[in-house]
Amino acid sequence: DQQVKQNSPSLSVQEGRISILNCDYTNSMFDYFLWYKKYPAEGPTFLISISSIKDKNEDGRFTVFLNKSAKHLSLHIVPSQPGDSAVYFCAASHLADSNYQLIWGAGTKLIIKP
Amino acid sequence: KAGVTQTPRYLIKTRGQQVTLSCSPISGHRSVSWYQQTPGQGLQFLFEYFSETQRNKGNFPGRFSGRQFSNSRSEMNVSTLELGDSALYLCASSLGDRANTGELFFGEGSRLTVL
Repeated sequence: DQQVKQNSPSLSVQEGRISILNCDYTNSMFDYFLWYKKYPAEGPTFLISISSIKDKNEDGRFTVFLNKSAKHLSLHIVPSQPGDSAVYFCAASHLADSNYQLIWGAGTKLIIKP
Repeated sequence: KAGVTQTPRYLIKTRGQQVTLSCSPISGHRSVSWYQQTPGQGLQFLFEYFSETQRNKGNFPGRFSGRQFSNSRSEMNVSTLELGDSALYLCASSLGDRANTGELFFGEGSRLTVL
């Protein structure tokens, strides 16, 4: 039972345009969400997070939107750059349970075309 | 500041063998988590250690085990290897007071191939 789903295995976007990566979750106890980026032959690196008390968090070109009623979050990258080509993982957690581990999606491979 | 170091980076084993992977966390980080990554499956949580104690464990069989030393370095062991154990094994460290606040620092991983 996948509690965090990234339904698009890959996404191709023109350089300079907006990239939108989507993530759905099923567990209503999740209250903290993160995005990680992974380049080939490297470990994932933390990108941005959002708490369930917010519906938007912005960091430079990256914005994460959270729609709690739809159990959906999205990562927007504007404008997309070639260096953004990577696999993006969505992860969720339940902060009130200090031993609760992150639950990860399967990842979406983003390809930025020049 | 040195990052998370995993050794070996690549290894090939045959079915039935056992393997030990090592992880040195960032200096000062007390939590080490292990993940298995296979294509299309994302990151599957194996276990997490904090101050030499296993704090949490994922849904993997008992063939998968780990430990953490007093210097926070961690090892994971897989016994009686199966073909399905072929994967990238990632180690992540964090300051670790809480397991779930998420800002994990990952190593480059150990790529295990089981033949």
